[in-house]
Amino acid sequence: KAGVTQTPRYLIKTRGQQVTLSCSPISGHRSVSWYQQTPGQGLQFLFEYFSETQRNKGNFPGRFSGRQFSNSRSEMNVSTLELGDSALYLCASSGTGEIYGYTFGSGTRLTVV
Amino acid sequence: TQLLEQSPQFLSIQEGENLTVYCNSSSVFSSLQWYRQEPGEGPVLLVTVVTGGEVKKLKRLTFQFGDARKDSSLHITAAQPGDTGLYLCAGKILGGGFKTIFGAGTRLFVKA
Repeated sequence: KAGVTQTPRYLIKTRGQQVTLSCSPISGHRSVSWYQQTPGQGLQFLFEYFSETQRNKGNFPGRFSGRQFSNSRSEMNVSTLELGDSALYLCASSGTGEIYGYTFGSGTRLTVV
Repeated sequence: TQLLEQSPQFLSIQEGENLTVYCNSSSVFSSLQWYRQEPGEGPVLLVTVVTGGEVKKLKRLTFQFGDARKDSSLHITAAQPGDTGLYLCAGKILGGGFKTIFGAGTRLFVKA
């Protein structure tokens, strides 16, 4: 079966711009989570969506937002980009239940210049 | 606040050696996962452990969940260059909702 698909793979933006990243989960997975990965901070939790509802949110400023559609596809948006937003943004989907781990996409490498 | 402490942070060994990576916390986890990540890619799930004291084996990899479900270890026997990568532990804190937190990772380099 198809894995988690993230688009685009690479993105270069300038400070002050906004960006939208897309994630298509594994078919049947209703939970989609987003993480930011940087060399200094590791994987930091952004938010998780389940059945179009945000179920949990990490400690990121309001410039970071997301949504999930009825087909479980998810998008995250970052407005007013800052240099420090440069990172690998990872999307992960999982099945229902505590024991399920994540299936990650390959990520979107965002560079803010 | 880093709730999941991984050690060591970096490990460079020769092919054929054994190694153990540790993941510790003061919190109790309802489940814990180990992932391996290669440069430019997302982490890949290796195993999920749920029961305190549980031991799982995946070929040359042995995973153990502590009795109190606060810690875990990953042991690799006879490491190979293909084992090179970033190993991450992650878990859901019991009663902590649906958020999964990650350790900072152990970067393993196996030299041929």
